[in-house]
Formats: sequence, C-alpha cells, structure tokens
Amino acid sequence: EPEVTQTPSHQVTQMGQEVILRCVPISNHLYFYWYRQILGQKVEFLVSFYNNEISEKSEIFDDQFSVERPDGSNFTLKIRSTKLEDSAMYFCASRLAGTETQYFGPGTRLLVL
Amino acid sequence: GENVEQHPSTLSVQEGDSAVIKCTYSDSASNYFPWYKQELGKGPQLIIDIRSNVGEKKDQRIAVTLNKTAKHFSLHITETQPEDSAVYFCAASSDNQFYFGTGTSLTVIP
Repeated sequence: EPEVTQTPSHQVTQMGQEVILRCVPISNHLYFYWYRQILGQKVEFLVSFYNNEISEKSEIFDDQFSVERPDGSNFTLKIRSTKLEDSAMYFCASRLAGTETQYFGPGTRLLVL
Repeated sequence: GENVEQHPSTLSVQEGDSAVIKCTYSDSASNYFPWYKQELGKGPQLIIDIRSNVGEKKDQRIAVTLNKTAKHFSLHITETQPEDSAVYFCAASSDNQFYFGTGTSLTVIP
C-alpha cells in the first residue's frame, strides 16, 4: 500500500541553524500538509499546499518557515533559523483530490539545542 | 477558529471490555471528523471517519457517533485487544484543514 515517507527520522540541530525536513507524498496525491506535535501536546496544523502554492497557513507558520515542492516527488519544510521552541515532531500528510482523508507520514523528530 | 476538546486523556481497560473516547468541537461549519491511531514512533493512521450528514458509522469493532446539534462525536472500540493500545486523536475539519484533539492514551490490559 502506498504511504507517505519522511526523512530524516530524527534531526538534532543548534539554535539558529537552518533545517530542511523532507517528505515524499503518495504519488497521485495533489494536496500536501505539514503539521507539528510538541511533546505531549496536540497535533497542530502548519500549512497546506496545492498547485505549487500555499493554500492556507496557521499563525505558527511565520517567516522562519517555508515550503517547497522542488521536483515531482518531494515536498520540503524549511526552518530558516531554528529556535528552541521549534523542537517537535513534524508530520507531513497528503490527500487525493476529491477526498477528505489525509495520510500521514511517520514524522521527523526535531531537537533544537 | 475551531477548538476540539478530547476526553479522557488516558484510559485503561481490561482486554475484551469496551473503550469510549469523546470529543467536542466548536465550529458548526466542521463537516468531517476523522479518528487517528498513533502507535509509538509512528505517524497517525486513519482508523475511521464520519461526515456531518451521517450520525453513526461502524467498521468491525470500531464505531463512531456524531451529534451535530451538541457538537460532539465519540469513538467506540468493542472487544478491545492489547494491540489496540495506542494514542487516539480525534479531529474536526472544514475545508480540509484539520484541528486535532489532545489525544487519548489507551492501554488495554491483557
């Protein structure tokens, strides 16, 4: 069964450094999402992306964040200058057009020191 | 915006018993309510969903009920098994933006 994949599974970085989290959505899906989950808290929406554009973004998704679909398969989340509070699990999800179900990847655990 | 509350935060049941997890939402425009199961170290996996034009949906041992008037929906797991142990998240969605509850850690005791 097709699934969303994410790399790396874990990343440790120093405060102020840039990180890029990578996702490969399910191949025929056209809608892509990033969520984050701070330890012990709820999963929070960050951004949705369709047709090479951001569709919606939350208040969390400030100027330090950006998303890109650099080629036909990858979908990336970049954090330009990481802060301690960016430490969280980041999930990518994708959705097939005409449906509502979002399929989640296994996540990337980001730790900012 | 939408606010989803989920209870209880932890739940322990004996194997074979039923488990019920409840969620409330605030935005009457929400029209899609998925439930996700998250096992340790994995991403959330959809287990069942319901749309606002339906009051109840069942899939084997799992059922979901929705009360639009009261703005609450519940997950029911019958004949629980140890492999049901996980964190369960409810979500409410309109226009495909998901708002998640805080999660329920379910432990099924053999």
